[in-house]
Amino acid sequence: DQQVKQNSPSLSVQEGRISILNCDYTNSMFDYFLWYKKYPAEGPTFLISISSIKDKNEDGRFTVFLNKSAKHLSLHIVPSQPGDSAVYFCAASGIGGGADGLTFGKGTHLIIQP
Amino acid sequence: DGGITQSPKYLFRKEGQNVTLSCEQNLNHDAMYWYRQDPGQGLRLIYYSQIVNDFQKGDIAEGYSVSREKKESFPLTVTSAQKNPTAFYLCASSMRSWGYTFGSGTRLTVV
Repeated sequence: DQQVKQNSPSLSVQEGRISILNCDYTNSMFDYFLWYKKYPAEGPTFLISISSIKDKNEDGRFTVFLNKSAKHLSLHIVPSQPGDSAVYFCAASGIGGGADGLTFGKGTHLIIQP
Repeated sequence: DGGITQSPKYLFRKEGQNVTLSCEQNLNHDAMYWYRQDPGQGLRLIYYSQIVNDFQKGDIAEGYSVSREKKESFPLTVTSAQKNPTAFYLCASSMRSWGYTFGSGTRLTVV
């Protein structure tokens, strides 16, 4: 049973526009959420995170929104740039943090078109 | 330069053979993790270790074994019991629970 779901396998966005990547979760014990970016044949790199006590966290062009009642979070990238083309993974952890491992979604392949 | 190193980058294994993937970190992180990625799939946790000489099974531990004799090292052995070992394997480490640093991965192919 998938506890973290990214329902869009791929997303195509024009350069300069906003990219919105979505993630849903089912486990109400999840307390901390992260987004990772991954290029082919490389390890994921940390992008941005949000604690359940917040509903928004911003870092430069990247903003993550959390809607706890809907068990939904989204990553906004504004403006989208060619280098943003990658697979984006949503991940979640419980109250203890990711000490016993993070739970990942299947990823969304973001393609930025010129 | 601190980081986490996985080797080799590509590995080929004959059916029925055991193979060991290396993971070394010089970040002084306490915890280390092994994940597996298959095409179109997310990262699935194989094993993790929060401290030297101790490790726990993740969601898909069957057919794998690990050891944690040193803080810096967390090798993963893919045994012949693993039915479908062809995949991309990622090692990660963290000091605090959510500060994961990933290695660049090992692609294992069974021939």
